[in-house]
Amino acid sequence: QQQVKQSPQSLIVQKGGISIINCAYENTAFDYFPWYQQFPGKGPALLIAIRPDVSEKKEGRFTISFNKSAKQFSLHIMDSQPGDSATYFCAASKGSNYQLIWGAGTKLIIKP
Amino acid sequence: NAGVMQNPRHLVRRRGQEARLRCSPMKGHSHVYWYRQLPEEGLKFMVYLQKENIIDESGMPKERFSAEFPKEGPSILRIQQVVRGDSAAYFCASSPRSGAALGEQYFGPGTRLTVT
Repeated sequence: QQQVKQSPQSLIVQKGGISIINCAYENTAFDYFPWYQQFPGKGPALLIAIRPDVSEKKEGRFTISFNKSAKQFSLHIMDSQPGDSATYFCAASKGSNYQLIWGAGTKLIIKP
Repeated sequence: NAGVMQNPRHLVRRRGQEARLRCSPMKGHSHVYWYRQLPEEGLKFMVYLQKENIIDESGMPKERFSAEFPKEGPSILRIQQVVRGDSAAYFCASSPRSGAALGEQYFGPGTRLTVT
């Protein structure tokens, strides 16, 4: 129940295309869903986050879509660029709990 | 405005030796979290500390692992008698407060531990 399942494991997208990464969770108590971006040799950096009171959040080319009934959330990267090539992690937590439960990651490669 | 600092960045230890990983949180941050990342996996929570207090160590292995965050100086994650399975990237994060403001966990660059 504590798991967050992320797919796909890897993704190749042409430059200018849309990259879509999906996550699913079981624990309905989760109420905070961040996405992190990690470049090789670096720590994860918070990209964008959403709470379940909204169905979508957009920041620049990055959009989180949230489906509470399906217990799924996804990251869309519009107009994908080679600089977006990184590993992306979804995560979840509940209430005031600081413990982030992480997905396994998606390695995204944007082909020029 | 320096971010979270971790050192060393790379650490090689032989089986049975001790590993000490250091984390200096961002200025003004008093909450520190340690995570472990195995290859091709997400991060796993290990321990949450405030100055001089361990708040939650539920993710720490019961033996050989310990953590501290003294009043002065960096937080230390200590692994005694390392084994090959300890080889991983260890990340430290800090935040100005705990609880709901979870997005404010800022991560350091990690220490990559290799046990030979």
